[in-house]
Amino acid sequence: EPEVTQTPSHQVTQMGQEVILRCVPISNHLYFYWYRQILGQKVEFLVSFYNNEISEKSEIFDDQFSVERPDGSNFTLKIRSTKLEDSAMYFCATRLARVSYEQYFGPGTRLTVT
Amino acid sequence: GENVEQHPSTLSVQEGDSAVIKCTYSDSASNYFPWYKQELGKGPQLIIDIRSNVGEKKDQRIAVTLNKTAKHFSLHITETQPEDSAVYFCAASKDSNYQLIWGAGTKLIIKP
Repeated sequence: EPEVTQTPSHQVTQMGQEVILRCVPISNHLYFYWYRQILGQKVEFLVSFYNNEISEKSEIFDDQFSVERPDGSNFTLKIRSTKLEDSAMYFCATRLARVSYEQYFGPGTRLTVT
Repeated sequence: GENVEQHPSTLSVQEGDSAVIKCTYSDSASNYFPWYKQELGKGPQLIIDIRSNVGEKKDQRIAVTLNKTAKHFSLHITETQPEDSAVYFCAASKDSNYQLIWGAGTKLIIKP
């Protein structure tokens, strides 16, 4: 069964450093999402991406964040200058088409900022 | 914006008994309500979903009910088994953006 994969599973970085989180979507899916879950809190929407551009983004997704799909396979989330409060689980999700509702999630990347 | 509330935060049931988890939502435009199961160290797994044009949906031991008027939806698990132990999340979304707005999660513990 096709699945969303994410790398790395765990990333430790120092405050102020740049990190790139990677996601490989299910192959024929067209819509891509990033969510995050700070320990003990709700899962929060960050951004949605379709046709090589951002469709929607939340207030969390400020200028420190960016997304791209440079090679048609990997979907990446970049945090330019990490802060302690960026420590969280980051989940990638994908959706097949405009008229399909189901979102399928990857296993997540645990980001720890020290 | 949309807000989803989920109760209880922890639910402990005897193996073989039923478990019910409840969610409420605030935005009447929401029309899609999935439930996800998250096991330790894994990402959320979609287990069942319901759209607003349906009141109930069942898949083997799992069922979801939706009351649009009251803005309530619930997950029902019958004949619970040890492998049902996990954290369960409800969520809501609407056609305008498909963003999932999540509940806080319910830790389901199945006692042998």
